[in-house]
Formats: sequence, C-alpha cells, structure tokens
Amino acid sequence: DAKTTQPTSMDCAEGRAANLPCNHSTISGNEYVYWYRQIHSQGPQYIIHGLKNNETNEMASLIITEDRKSSTLILPHATLRDTAVYYCIVRVVRNYGQNFVFGPGTRLSVLP
Amino acid sequence: GAGVSQTPSNKVTEKGKYVELRCDPISGHTALYWYRQSLGQGPEFLIYFQGTGAADDSGLPNDRFFAVRPEGSVSTLKIQRTERGDSAVYLCASSSGYGRTDTQYFGPGTRLTVL
Repeated sequence: DAKTTQPTSMDCAEGRAANLPCNHSTISGNEYVYWYRQIHSQGPQYIIHGLKNNETNEMASLIITEDRKSSTLILPHATLRDTAVYYCIVRVVRNYGQNFVFGPGTRLSVLP
Repeated sequence: GAGVSQTPSNKVTEKGKYVELRCDPISGHTALYWYRQSLGQGPEFLIYFQGTGAADDSGLPNDRFFAVRPEGSVSTLKIQRTERGDSAVYLCASSSGYGRTDTQYFGPGTRLTVL
C-alpha cells in the first residue's frame, strides 16, 4: 500500500489560503488521493479526492503534481472553523472493497 | 438525509466485560466499515462489510473482536473480555459500495473507556 507523508502541524492566518502538502511517492497508477479532516471529537469529514487532474469543490482545491508523487490541499480562505487534523490518504483498491489507511495527519491551526 | 449514526456516544465498562457498539449507516449504503482511533493517532481499519458479509476483517486485532451486519444495514461491533488497551474511539463509516471513487462517510464515533 502506498504511504503518505504530511507535516505534523501548520498554522494559517484567518482569511488567508491554507496550503497543506502531502507526499505519496510510491502511489500507483490506479490509486486515488483522498483528503479528509477531523475536527475535535467528531468523525472524519470527506473533503475532496482526485486521480491526476486538479479538482475543486465548495470546500477546497486539490492540486496533484504531474508525476503524482505529491499533492496539495488548498483551503482558499481559511476560517477558525477550519482548525482540524487533515488526513491525506491514498486509497487502496481491491476487488472486494477498499479501506482507508490513515496516517497521523497535519494539525492545522487557523489563527485570528 | 441522515448521516451515519453511532450509539452509544460514550461507553464506560470494566475490564473483562462484554460490550456492543452499534452503527446505523446512511440509508441505501451497502458498504460499512469499522475503524478504531487511539488518542493522537489516525483511524485504524478494523473490518469492512459489503452487504451482510464481512469482506475484509484483516484489521481485527484478535478473536475478542467480532462484528455482524445480519440484514445488510445496521452493524454491531462486539468486544469480549475487554482490556484497558481497547479504550479508544470506535468509528463507523458507510459508502454506496460501488465504483472506484466510492467515498466513505463517517459517524461521530463511540468513545469506549475500559477501567
């Protein structure tokens, strides 16, 4: 299974863009990159996923490098409510299902 | 519609006791997952159901842990002879169960404390 590497923690000023990096150098061609976040005492919340093209939704943008060895999650205008642990996950696909392998994630603190 | 729900939200038990944790997935979702999360760590996969059957139980730590999903909807995670090391947040997730980009939606978790 491909593994991911993320910084342990990051700070971001409220209203600024938060750019969260993730390295997944061993990713294979048919594996997707998913991002989830977990606000204190809640279950993980889905943010976005992608294969090789950049993706954008109402929550965030996902930029994947051309070689797919790394990606960046962008929160364009961070708010205090975006303070959470952000998980970058490479999705293992098997014939009978797919579990997520979570690392320790990046603890993002949005500061006023 | 309603999201994934889990009951109880908190469970305190004594070492050696038996506990059951319940998960109600999103209506219509055929895939259901259980994860366990210890303090300061990411969730750890336990077991995956597709319909009524456990398609992958490779994450269950030992034979004290067992899960069922008899009608393909609600699932129960059962832990026998609980140990202090079983203390964690137990998370349930569900997904539609098909497609390569099948997204999992998580419940709020059950916090289990074994004294």
